[in-house]
Amino acid sequence: SAVISQKPSRDICQRGTSLTIQCQVDSQVTMMFWYRQQPGQSLTLIATANQGSEATYESGFVIDKFPISRPNLTFSTLTVSNMSPEDSSIYLCSVASANYGYTFGSGTRLTVV
Amino acid sequence: DQQVKQNSPSLSVQEGRISILNCDYTNSMFDYFLWYKKYPAEGPTFLISISSIKDKNEDGRFTVFLNKSAKHLSLHIVPSQPGDSAVYFCAASLFAGNTPLVFGKGTRLSVIA
Repeated sequence: SAVISQKPSRDICQRGTSLTIQCQVDSQVTMMFWYRQQPGQSLTLIATANQGSEATYESGFVIDKFPISRPNLTFSTLTVSNMSPEDSSIYLCSVASANYGYTFGSGTRLTVV
Repeated sequence: DQQVKQNSPSLSVQEGRISILNCDYTNSMFDYFLWYKKYPAEGPTFLISISSIKDKNEDGRFTVFLNKSAKHLSLHIVPSQPGDSAVYFCAASLFAGNTPLVFGKGTRLSVIA
């Protein structure tokens, strides 16, 4: 399966600041997704990151709050902007391909204080 | 509206016995189903999947059953081991490899030695 390197693994941030999470994949993949897992909850899709075009956001998530970049087929970033304690979650990137199925990064545990 | 439901938040099983985790879905267009295992501070790890054209898939100690008419799938783990203790997520896809996964809320399995 594809191997994803996700950074940082965890961070503690002050409210009002921003954090950028990176995902690097060891192979070219068409579909990349960003999820959020709030404490005790399921994984909720934030957006689909498309290479060469703007990300597609799910209901309840907006580009100003969660800007995403996808400069090539192996890399993407998610920024959590103007953070508040409610943004404390685990953020995960995922890739999908016909060859490798669905693979997840190890996650970024974000705590906003 | 939750499209994938895991109605049991937790399950406790003795070592060596069978663990049965259940999942229901509402969208009849889902055609690919997966089970993931997740430890705290890690990303989900793929366990087993099943296509809608099948009703059973087996991989070692793990078997997934799909009942399309009931929109129900289950994961059987036999025999259960203490290392199986984790949160298990059921997920579904509209078109394998090309659309994001929709997750249930997870079931926490505890295997007691």
